[in-house]
Amino acid sequence: DTAVSQTPKYLVTQMGNDKSIKCEQNLGHDTMYWYKQDSKKFLKIMFSYNNKELIINETVPNRFSPKSPDKAHLNLHINSLELGDSAVYFCASSPYGPPPVYEQYFGPGTRLTVT
Amino acid sequence: EDQVTQSPEALRLQEGESSSLNCSYTVSGLRGLFWYRQDPGKGPEFLFTLYSAGEEKEKERLKATLTKKESFLHITAPKPEDSATYLCAAHSNDYKLSFGAGTTVTVRA
Repeated sequence: DTAVSQTPKYLVTQMGNDKSIKCEQNLGHDTMYWYKQDSKKFLKIMFSYNNKELIINETVPNRFSPKSPDKAHLNLHINSLELGDSAVYFCASSPYGPPPVYEQYFGPGTRLTVT
Repeated sequence: EDQVTQSPEALRLQEGESSSLNCSYTVSGLRGLFWYRQDPGKGPEFLFTLYSAGEEKEKERLKATLTKKESFLHITAPKPEDSATYLCAAHSNDYKLSFGAGTTVTVRA
């Protein structure tokens, strides 16, 4: 059974289009995240949700909008795609609680290419 | 600003040749230091969490250690299947996780 799944795995689209990436976790975790990994392999956090509530919102263009219909799902919608949005996007989940903090479990990634 | 720096960028080892990877961190109050392994085309896979200086964790040929400024991932007698990119990440007081750029390890048979 896949713990954290993302769809689609590959996404090729043109500038200006709107696209969505879906994420689901079956681990029973309370917290979910979206990360962007650029060509230099840096993973940067974009958003974090805990029990459907936004708790981390990094400096991300407002063209990116996360939506959490329930605590097992966190989708990412991107409007007006730009060339610079090309990257691999990872969804992750973790149990939530006070310290000690918990490890995160990552999905397989969605490679977004904007042409 | 929180910062995590990993060195070297790339490491080529002969099978059986032990080595260490370095992760230097500057964060506002470390809550946890994580090590992940990432294979090409896949998501990072959790390896270890270290919470306080002096702590050590081991798993097969890997051993992670932590000081107040850096963490090391020691690979003992590596095998080709240990080839991967190893990422470290520091979790700070404001619950943000900052990743390093990773060290790509290649182990030749």
